Amino acid sequence: EAEVAQSPRYKITEKSQAVAFWCDPISGHATLYWYRQILGQGLELLVQFQDESVVDDSQLPKDRFSAERLKGVDSTLKIQPAELGDSAMYLCASSLAQAVDSPLHFGNGTRLTVT
Amino acid sequence: AQSVTQLDSQVPVFEEAPVELRCNYSSSVSVYLFWYVQYPNQGLQLLLKYLSGSTLVKGINGFEAEFNKSQTSFHLRKPSVHISDTAEYFCAVTWLDNYGQNFVFGPGTRLSVLP
Repeated sequence: EAEVAQSPRYKITEKSQAVAFWCDPISGHATLYWYRQILGQGLELLVQFQDESVVDDSQLPKDRFSAERLKGVDSTLKIQPAELGDSAMYLCASSLAQAVDSPLHFGNGTRLTVT
Repeated sequence: AQSVTQLDSQVPVFEEAPVELRCNYSSSVSVYLFWYVQYPNQGLQLLLKYLSGSTLVKGINGFEAEFNKSQTSFHLRKPSVHISDTAEYFCAVTWLDNYGQNFVFGPGTRLSVLP
């Protein structure tokens, strides 16, 4: 079964440094989501793409976070500068989104530790 | 607005005992319901989904869930749990709008199966 690919799996960075995460969704999936999951907590939607367009970034801290999906395929999430509170799992998911029963397919995430 | 409540943040249960994980939702539009499971350091996997029809839905790994519209609930059950069921379980609602498919997740329930 096709999978959502994410890299790196783990990232340790010092505060004030820049960090980037990459996601390659399942082929043909038009909708891509970036979620943040702080340890022991639920999922917080950071940004949602439909093809190359952002449809929801209301929870994205835009002063330090940016996301792009230039060709409507893979996506990059960037944090600059990183803060201690950014330590979390960053999950990418994709969906066909052609019908309401389209499930989300998740990658294995990038665990970020900011020191 | 749509929201999902999972009242139990942690559920410890002995192996081979039954378990029920509770999920309640609130919505101003028609939504559909999913349960996802997350094993340590992994992304989320789809357990089961309810769209319409029979209110009792069977999923993978012996799990089932019952949709109750009047109580706006979608509780997850398993008659006999295994050690390998230890994981975080998330209930989610999904709906379509002009911008695509949307998801809201509950805060999760950590199931710990004890020997």
